[in-house]
Amino acid sequence: GAVVSQHPSWVICKSGTSVKIECRSLDFQATTMFWYRQFPKQSLMLMATSNEGSKATYEQGVEKDKFLINHASLTLSTLTVTSAHPEDSSFYICSAATGGNEKLFFGSGTQLSVL
Amino acid sequence: QQQVKQSPQSLIVQKGGISIINCAYENTAFDYFPWYQQFPGKGPALLIAIRPDVSEKKEGRFTISFNKSAKQFSLHIMDSQPGDSATYFCAAAGNKLTFGGGTRVLVKP
Repeated sequence: GAVVSQHPSWVICKSGTSVKIECRSLDFQATTMFWYRQFPKQSLMLMATSNEGSKATYEQGVEKDKFLINHASLTLSTLTVTSAHPEDSSFYICSAATGGNEKLFFGSGTQLSVL
Repeated sequence: QQQVKQSPQSLIVQKGGISIINCAYENTAFDYFPWYQQFPGKGPALLIAIRPDVSEKKEGRFTISFNKSAKQFSLHIMDSQPGDSATYFCAAAGNKLTFGGGTRVLVKP
C-alpha cells in the first residue's frame, strides 16, 4: 500500500519555541493532505485540510496563525506549531489522499511535548 | 456536534471470542465508512471499509454490517486474538473524514 512518512516521530521543545512537522507521501502524489490532533485516549480531530499550492482550510476553533500549514508540493506538507505552549502537547497525525476518500493514507504520527 | 457516535468505549474479550463495535451516523451525505485500527503511539491503519450500497463486507476475521435505513454500522472481529488488542475507530466520509470516539479492545489470552 501507499506510504506516508511523518517526521519527527516525537519532539520535545521549550515553551515559546516553534516546531515543524513534515508529512511526505513516498510513492504517490497527494492532491490533498489532512492534519489531525489526538489527545490521550481520545479520537482524532481534524485540524485542517491542505491542497497543493493553495491556502489550507482550517476547522472551526483551530488558530491558523498558530498552526501554520504549507503544502508546497504534491508530496510534502508541513505543520508548524508556532510559539508552542504546554497545552499544545498532543499527538499530531497527517494523512494524504491521492484521489477520492478511499485513497487516504495516514502517517505514523508525531508526539509533541512542550515543556 | 458529534456526527459519528461509537460504542462501547472499551471492550474486553477472551481469546477466540467475538468483538463487536457499533457506530451510528447522522449525515446522510456520508458515502464511505472505514474502520481503522490504532496501536499506541502509531497512526491509524485502515482495516476494512464499506459503501452504503452494500449491507455486509467480510475480509478475513473482520466483517462490517451496514444498515442504511437505521444509519448504523458495526464491526465484528471473529476469533479475536491478543494481537487484536488496540483502539478501533469507525469513520464516515463525504469530502472529509469524521471519526467516532474510539473503542479500546483488550483480548485476554
